[in-house]
Amino acid sequence: EAGVVQSPRYKIIEKKQPVAFWCNPISGHNTLYWYRQNLGQGPELLIRYENEEAVDDSQLPKDRFSAERLKGVDSTLKIQPAELGDSAVYLCASSPRQGAYNEQFFGPGTRLTVL
Amino acid sequence: LAKTTQPISMDSYEGQEVNITCSHNNIATNDYITWYQQFPSQGPRFIIQGYKTKVTNEVASLFIPADRKSSTLSLPRVSLSDTAVYYCLVGNDYKLSFGAGTTVTVRA
Repeated sequence: EAGVVQSPRYKIIEKKQPVAFWCNPISGHNTLYWYRQNLGQGPELLIRYENEEAVDDSQLPKDRFSAERLKGVDSTLKIQPAELGDSAVYLCASSPRQGAYNEQFFGPGTRLTVL
Repeated sequence: LAKTTQPISMDSYEGQEVNITCSHNNIATNDYITWYQQFPSQGPRFIIQGYKTKVTNEVASLFIPADRKSSTLSLPRVSLSDTAVYYCLVGNDYKLSFGAGTTVTVRA
């Protein structure tokens, strides 16, 4: 069974540029998460989807970050414009069951470097 | 959301048992305790989850005392490949958060 797919794996951009990350969850997983992980820290939840609905986006910096999951399958996370402090690994995870505490399956992440 | 506290790092040797204790004094009655493992350049991987007493699977055991204010992840007979960061999470249907984790280094 294929795992969570993320692309690109690496991205280098200059500050003020836009950037987008794509995630395809495991087939049949209705719950999807986006996390940001800074160096030496644990992942920080940005947004959680149940199907197409964003059920928890309280930690998403809405002035520059946006996310969508239009058909309840794959998802895109966008940053516009990027700032130096956005350099981090962006992780996508999915789960077959609703509820934040259920087992999450993580992708390899996208490492973003903002210059 | 209950705050978790776990050691920053631990060292061990191959073949030894590693026990990582996580403190979560403010755990709520509807919170579960979950542990994840993360290798460099990879996403975290689920290890084990429990609510109370003891849970065991093929890779680890989780011990939770009756007051649930702490939990201990036990890794039996570790090998070099168990070198990783281990995260203790406490959460429920609505909220779950990762702490800073414990870096476990296994030496030959």
